[in-house]
Amino acid sequence: NAGVTQTPKFRILKIGQSMTLQCTQDMNHNYMYWYRQDPGMGLKLIYYSVGAGITDKGEVPNGYNVSRSTTEDFPLRLELAAPSQTSVYFCASSYLPQATNEKLFFGSGTQLSVL
Amino acid sequence: EDKVVQSPLSLVVHEGDTVTLNCSYEVTNFRSLLWYKQEKKAPTFLFMLTSSGIEKKSGRLSSILDKKELSSILNITATQTGDSAIYLCAFLQGGSEKLVFGKGTKLTVNP
Repeated sequence: NAGVTQTPKFRILKIGQSMTLQCTQDMNHNYMYWYRQDPGMGLKLIYYSVGAGITDKGEVPNGYNVSRSTTEDFPLRLELAAPSQTSVYFCASSYLPQATNEKLFFGSGTQLSVL
Repeated sequence: EDKVVQSPLSLVVHEGDTVTLNCSYEVTNFRSLLWYKQEKKAPTFLFMLTSSGIEKKSGRLSSILDKKELSSILNITATQTGDSAIYLCAFLQGGSEKLVFGKGTKLTVNP
């Protein structure tokens, strides 16, 4: 049971570099989400998608981009990394809207440091 | 601005103690409130509460929502060291897929 798979688990970037955080799920879930969690803080929603080809901004979208070309994959792109983007990033998915489905399935997270 | 406030931020207890974690919210168009447990990595779902006054229970954990007081509590009885974790509270707005999380309560259960 793979569930939600995130890669890489750890990454160190220099200021101004770009990278893509990968997220894939094998549960045929329509809804996918990207959250970031700063130390001592709750999770904040960056972007989400309700299906292939459809994405929308969350609470903190600035500095990030997403795409959803397939149901399985929801990559998160950082174009010009900044120290403020140092955080742990979680991808999550659900089959139905959260209002009807109780559970989000989370990936194991990506620890990103921007130096 | 919609927000979720959890208290206490940190709590240290001994095995066997009972703990109560608090979550209060200020939100327009409230839909539901969720509790998650976060150990080392990804949060895992505990409860989703939509109706006021109805307790949800899972083993030694239980939770209840009070819409009048705009709050929820999470109770853990007979705590064990395995209960040590950060407990996150979040609300879901109606008509939205956006979960708004609190900062969490870090619970440490000592043997």
